[in-house]
Amino acid sequence: AQKITQTQPGMFVQEKEAVTLDCTYDTSDQSYGLFWYKQPSSGEMIFLIYQGSYDEQNATEGRYSLNFQKARKSANLVISASQLGDSAMYFCAMRDGTGGFKTIFGAGTRLFVKA
Amino acid sequence: DTGVSQDPRHKITKRGQNVTFRCDPISEHNRLYWYRQTLGQGPEFLTYFQNEAQLEKSRLLSDRFSAERPKGSFSTLEIQRTEQGDSAMYLCASTGTGSSGANVLTFGAGSRLTVL
Repeated sequence: AQKITQTQPGMFVQEKEAVTLDCTYDTSDQSYGLFWYKQPSSGEMIFLIYQGSYDEQNATEGRYSLNFQKARKSANLVISASQLGDSAMYFCAMRDGTGGFKTIFGAGTRLFVKA
Repeated sequence: DTGVSQDPRHKITKRGQNVTFRCDPISEHNRLYWYRQTLGQGPEFLTYFQNEAQLEKSRLLSDRFSAERPKGSFSTLEIQRTEQGDSAMYLCASTGTGSSGANVLTFGAGSRLTVL
């Protein structure tokens, strides 16, 4: 069965510093997609970044990058130059790529950015 | 396009009552998903549709839960004989079936259910 594990319930980072949020996944599929979403206190889910299982390059989107280590089944999110507005819940998610299109989510990591 | 719309945004009901939530996806999206999220947790998959066909249901979806998407556009999620454990945020999301592998979920603002 597919599973997403986020082992950091909460993280603190100083403004302007970089932070890494951990995510490991488990799947027997060869084709899958990995996502990170942000959920601020207002509640809306915001897509941040995507990595396909066959993508050789790590995905980057502005200040966000995804450190994809396929052999270790990890997909860590790196946020560079943290801003106060980055304080939110962050969810790692995985979509089955072979026959189904269900996306499952991890339990999330709450990030606190300190001024 | 106004994104994914959900109605109502908040619902307070007494235990044992039935409730129905509506989701209007982005018009060109043909996949629609329902998730349940409790405080401090990640969204839990409930079910999803491709057009009007319900393709997968979670074991979390007991027989008190039913979802429909009759014309492949909007969807409803009904909970019968609500229980206090049903209190949660019910999120709807949609995605297209384009060639991009991402098929990113676009979420609505959610419908918060409180069962007294």
